[in-house]
Amino acid sequence: QKEVEQDPGPLSVPEGAIVSLNCTYSNSAFQYFMWYRQYSRKGPELLMYTYSSGNKEDGRFTAQVDKSSKYISLFIRDSQPSDSATYLCAMSGTGNQFYFGTGTSLTVIP
Amino acid sequence: GAGVSQSPSNKVTEKGKDVELRCDPISGHTALYWYRQRLGQGLEFLIYFQGNSAPDKSGLPSDRFSAERTGESVSTLTIQRTQQEDSAVYLCASSLAVLYGYTFGSGTRLTVV
Repeated sequence: QKEVEQDPGPLSVPEGAIVSLNCTYSNSAFQYFMWYRQYSRKGPELLMYTYSSGNKEDGRFTAQVDKSSKYISLFIRDSQPSDSATYLCAMSGTGNQFYFGTGTSLTVIP
Repeated sequence: GAGVSQSPSNKVTEKGKDVELRCDPISGHTALYWYRQRLGQGLEFLIYFQGNSAPDKSGLPSDRFSAERTGESVSTLTIQRTQQEDSAVYLCASSLAVLYGYTFGSGTRLTVV
């Protein structure tokens, strides 16, 4: 079983839609959770960083962590064509590395 | 510099040749990571450097892979006797500390023919 599972998509939505991206994980020691956005032929860029359970909001983006279910989500409100990218979840416990999902490809259609 | 810089951005090499990939981290970032990203797969951890501590090499897939870092500056990832399965994007990231968010470079796209 992989440490982190993420539906690869692809996901296609109309402009203005609410997007929900999700990851599940198996390691109950994970307590640091991140979401990265990766445009084609670019390195991933950090979008959101949360610690433990709960919600965190930043503009149109909301990250949710449910440690009891080992499930994390990223919501994008009022999606824009510029949000079209691959979204990667990443998580870590107390070790040296973050474990990444495979990424979900998102296309927002104007 | 302003960001993490990687060179070359693209590299095509013949099977069996050695390649060297370079990473210039953000100044002051003590932590440096190398990841490999194969098409359709997640990021695969390769190696981690933290200051002057011994590196965590637990992700290196074989003894053909090695990496060095001079102090808290440039790092090089060397792949000897390249194989076709080594074809991937090699990403470098740096961080102020282990559990801060990473800043990634744009990667080196390696193609072994």
